[in-house]
Amino acid sequence: GQSLEQPSEVTAVEGAIVQINCTYQTSGFYGLSWYQQHDGGAPTFLSYNALDGLEETGRFSSFLSRSDSYGYLLLQELQMKDSASYFCAVRDWAKAAGNKLTFGGGTRVLVKP
Amino acid sequence: EAQVTQNPRYLITVTGKKLTVTCSQNMNHEYMSWYRQDPGLGLRQIYYSMNVEVTDKGDVPEGYKVSRKEKRNFPLILESPSPNQTSLYFCASRNPGSPKADTQYFGPGTRLTVL
Repeated sequence: GQSLEQPSEVTAVEGAIVQINCTYQTSGFYGLSWYQQHDGGAPTFLSYNALDGLEETGRFSSFLSRSDSYGYLLLQELQMKDSASYFCAVRDWAKAAGNKLTFGGGTRVLVKP
Repeated sequence: EAQVTQNPRYLITVTGKKLTVTCSQNMNHEYMSWYRQDPGLGLRQIYYSMNVEVTDKGDVPEGYKVSRKEKRNFPLILESPSPNQTSLYFCASRNPGSPKADTQYFGPGTRLTVL
């Protein structure tokens, strides 16, 4: 089966850097993606890594190491509006018939002034 | 504007009263799915559909039905709702055949309470 592990909560101050780790176990693997969800809102896509390395999108970066079954989301220059839950998700080729995305439990990031 | 819409956004009902939550997307996506979100459990897939008339169970399908008669619509049906189906529900869509295959678009959510 598939499983994804990520910390449940992280607290940091404005301007700081936060790293959210995600380790996964899958029978197959296409790539790792990240979603952001504000309280009361819907998840929105942030980034996707299919290959090893770092992908940068503004203040947010995502990293993947396929050999370690590990990735992380890096939030830089934290702002109050970054307070949200962040989910990692994997797409598993072994479930190609469903092409299913499986989500981690989410990491709640609380940004303090 | 590319979007996924759901209705209703909020619903309070009683045990056993059949209900339908509608979902529609305007992006011509082939793949649609329903999730429920409960505290501490993340997003769990209920049902998915790879295309018109093609549906299959996700991780937590018990007590739910779906249909996919048109590409844009994917309603979620609770034939006999029970209190353990009280949850926040999200419809989502994406296009597996595109370069953005892993970009999933979510609807705004439906908060359902079953008394």
